Amino acid sequence: AQSVAQPEDQVNVAEGNPLTVKCTYSVSGNPYLFWYVQYPNRGLQFLLKYITGDNLVKGSYGFEAEFNKSQTSFHLKKPSALVSDSALYFCAVRDNTGNQFYFGTGTSLTVIP
Amino acid sequence: DTAVSQTPKYLVTQMGNDKSIKCEQNLGHDTMYWYKQDSKKFLKIMFSYNNKELIINETVPNRFSPKSPDKAHLNLHINSLELGDSAVYFCASSPSSGRFNEQFFGPGTRLTVL
Repeated sequence: AQSVAQPEDQVNVAEGNPLTVKCTYSVSGNPYLFWYVQYPNRGLQFLLKYITGDNLVKGSYGFEAEFNKSQTSFHLKKPSALVSDSALYFCAVRDNTGNQFYFGTGTSLTVIP
Repeated sequence: DTAVSQTPKYLVTQMGNDKSIKCEQNLGHDTMYWYKQDSKKFLKIMFSYNNKELIINETVPNRFSPKSPDKAHLNLHINSLELGDSAVYFCASSPSSGRFNEQFFGPGTRLTVL
């Protein structure tokens, strides 16, 4: 069975500081991992994905994520947080059939001015 | 240019009523989905359609019935609405059901059952 876990419901970071939103995964076979962001009263927006290749994946709005196979993690990072990054972030994994996404429980990021 | 659109954006109705939510995508995608997001923001897939055919039907009450008249549309009809159906419903699409493809989400429909 495929699943992802987001251990933190809430992350607070000061503007200008680096941010990390954590995600660990459990998959059988190769992992196909995704990050999405949800701003208030909006749908989810795709940020980045890991399929294969470089462990550091770069995405939209200056975000990047590091795939770590030994730790089964795919943490989302940004070197310098902006107040406008405040949102709900979801990690997701696609199953081996490709038919379904499994989403984490979401992490609410608040960037404090 | 709206990629994935849903109507209505808000839906307030009484228990026992029947309602529909419409979804359209203009991305030329083959696969469409319905998700339910509850008050705690948990996101759960309900249905997945590939080229107008149902490929996933999670444990959803049969009061919920998806209809895909063509591959650009996936509508959700709900019979005999219950209080617990109150949630935000998201439509999404992806180029195919392939494992590499991300999903594109609509803006959501907030359903409130009174």
